[in-house]
Amino acid sequence: AQTVTQSQPEMSVQEAETVTLSCTYDTSESDYYLFWYKQPPSRQMILVIRQEAYKQQNATENRFSVNFQKAAKSFSLKISDSQLGDAAMYFCAYFGNEKLTFGTGTRLTIIP
Amino acid sequence: DTGVSQNPRHKITKRGQNVTFRCDPISEHNRLYWYRQTLGQGPEFLTYFQNEAQLEKSRLLSDRFSAERPKGSFSTLEIQRTEQGDSAMYLCASSTGMYNSPLHFGNGTRLTVT
Repeated sequence: AQTVTQSQPEMSVQEAETVTLSCTYDTSESDYYLFWYKQPPSRQMILVIRQEAYKQQNATENRFSVNFQKAAKSFSLKISDSQLGDAAMYFCAYFGNEKLTFGTGTRLTIIP
Repeated sequence: DTGVSQNPRHKITKRGQNVTFRCDPISEHNRLYWYRQTLGQGPEFLTYFQNEAQLEKSRLLSDRFSAERPKGSFSTLEIQRTEQGDSAMYLCASSTGMYNSPLHFGNGTRLTVT
């Protein structure tokens, strides 16, 4: 079974600074997708970024980018120029066997 | 795209009562998922549908839980004889079903069993 591990329960960053959230996963598959989702206090889970395992190029969406290391099964999220609206729970997720498996999340606090 | 809609937003019930939640997916999405999320945890998979067919159920889904998607559109999740351990956020998500398509989540239904 696939597992996703987020070892940082909480992180904080000064506004406008850069922060990196860690994620590792375990799978025996070679083709899969990885996602980062954001869950603000309003509760709705919002897609931040996704990465196809067969692509070596790291995905980027505006201020959000990933560092995907397939051999190490690592998938970290970097948030640049942090903004107050980035405060949320961030979940790393693995898509395989037709469903998403989530990590336990990292609570990100932005310090004004 | 009006998003995934879930009702009710909150439900408080007494132990032993039955509850039913509804999820309306994005209209062109043929995949529909149910997840459960407890405080401080990531969402856990419960079940998913491809159109009206329920293709997988987690072992977390005890006999007291049943989900339906009768016409391949909206879905209901029923919990019979609720227990305090059922208190959680129940999330619904939908997708097109294509391999690289992300899941779009609703706001969830928060269940409190007293």
